[in-house]
Amino acid sequence: DTGVSQDPRHKITKRGQNVTFRCDPISEHNRLYWYRQTLGQGPEFLTYFQNEAQLEKSRLLSDRFSAERPKGSFSTLEIQRTEQGDSAMYLCASSSPLAAPPDTQYFGPGTRLTVL
Amino acid sequence: AQTVTQSQPEMSVQEAETVTLSCTYDTSENNYYLFWYKQPPSRQMILVIRQEAYKQQNATENRFSVNFQKAAKSFSLKISDSQLGDTAMYFCAFRGGNEKLTFGTGTRLTIIP
Repeated sequence: DTGVSQDPRHKITKRGQNVTFRCDPISEHNRLYWYRQTLGQGPEFLTYFQNEAQLEKSRLLSDRFSAERPKGSFSTLEIQRTEQGDSAMYLCASSSPLAAPPDTQYFGPGTRLTVL
Repeated sequence: AQTVTQSQPEMSVQEAETVTLSCTYDTSENNYYLFWYKQPPSRQMILVIRQEAYKQQNATENRFSVNFQKAAKSFSLKISDSQLGDTAMYFCAFRGGNEKLTFGTGTRLTIIP
């Protein structure tokens, strides 16, 4: 059973550019979450999906951010017109109520975004 | 809204000693989960231990155990026989009925050889 994977691991971009990150959850997991972690802080929730439905979005997720999970498998997180304040680690996690243990989120390695 | 507080930004302990990390939380929910996650330097978040609020018995995983005090809303992590590989940031996290995890600010633990 492979874990959660994220791509790319690192992304450096210039302010104003668009970036897209990908997350592949653990295969049996129907729930997928995105978090943002800035240096020295705990992760903050951004959004989550159950299958292909996006069920909750944080106020942190401005209109420049969009997330999709079109087939209920992998997910993408896009940031448009990046700003220096978007520099952070973007973490993906997945879970399932049917897994053992249930309802426990497992994290990927993260994508570290640096906006110059 | 739930809040999670970790009042110890940094701790250090000699190898083989026991260390306890503190966590308190605030919620009006009765059914929830609590977690401790470990994030080694430049590496990914790893689940250490989980506790269901409806279970009175404290969770244990090998050298890791918790002291869950529901009335006091306290959830501390004890690491016994600490090892160099335990050096990491430790995050306490709460999950209520809305699925998302709410994290504390973390405790940086250093195991000294």
